[in-house]
Amino acid sequence: ELKVEQNPLFLSMQEGKNYTIYCNYSTTSDRLYWYRQDPGKSLESLFVLLSNGAVKQEGRLMASLDTKARLSTLHITAAVHDLSATYFCAVESNTGNQFYFGTGTSLTVIP
Amino acid sequence: NAGVTQTPKFQVLKTGQSMTLQCAQDMNHNSMYWYRQDPGMGLRLIYYSASEGTTDKGEVPNGYNVSRLNKREFSLRLESAAPSQTSVYFCASSTWDLSYEQYFGPGTRLTVT
Repeated sequence: ELKVEQNPLFLSMQEGKNYTIYCNYSTTSDRLYWYRQDPGKSLESLFVLLSNGAVKQEGRLMASLDTKARLSTLHITAAVHDLSATYFCAVESNTGNQFYFGTGTSLTVIP
Repeated sequence: NAGVTQTPKFQVLKTGQSMTLQCAQDMNHNSMYWYRQDPGMGLRLIYYSASEGTTDKGEVPNGYNVSRLNKREFSLRLESAAPSQTSVYFCASSTWDLSYEQYFGPGTRLTVT
């Protein structure tokens, strides 16, 4: 069974600061997804990373994938309050169509 | 497009009662999924349907059954609810387009007393 670990689980940061969320997984996979969830809401897709070395950026968020290290990072640049949410990574099994989620990182950006 | 819809939004059951959670998507996706979300545990896959007419177990299938009624609809049934099934349930759908990027429904909050 594929295991996915995220850290940190909780992150409180000041506006304007930079930080990185890490997502490690236990077995080979070439596809990784990042989602955002606001309190009481559903999940919204942020990034789809499809190969080793993939890097995607949207606004203040940048995600990368290193399949050899089995590691993805979500980097936050100059955080703003609107980024406060829970962020999940999800790894797709190489057998296809099964997804394993990390436990999530609850991010609070303090003005 | 409504995307992925789920009914009901909230439900309270007594132990031993049964119910069916409904999910529908209007994006012509082939694959559909049921997840449960518990505090501190992320989302865990209960069942999925790779295409119409097929269903497969995920990580935590015990106590649940599913039906892929047609391409649009995928239902989740609890035959005899238990307090351990108190959770938020999400349905999702996807189709192959260089990836299986998933689109999630709004969720059903279920409490079993």
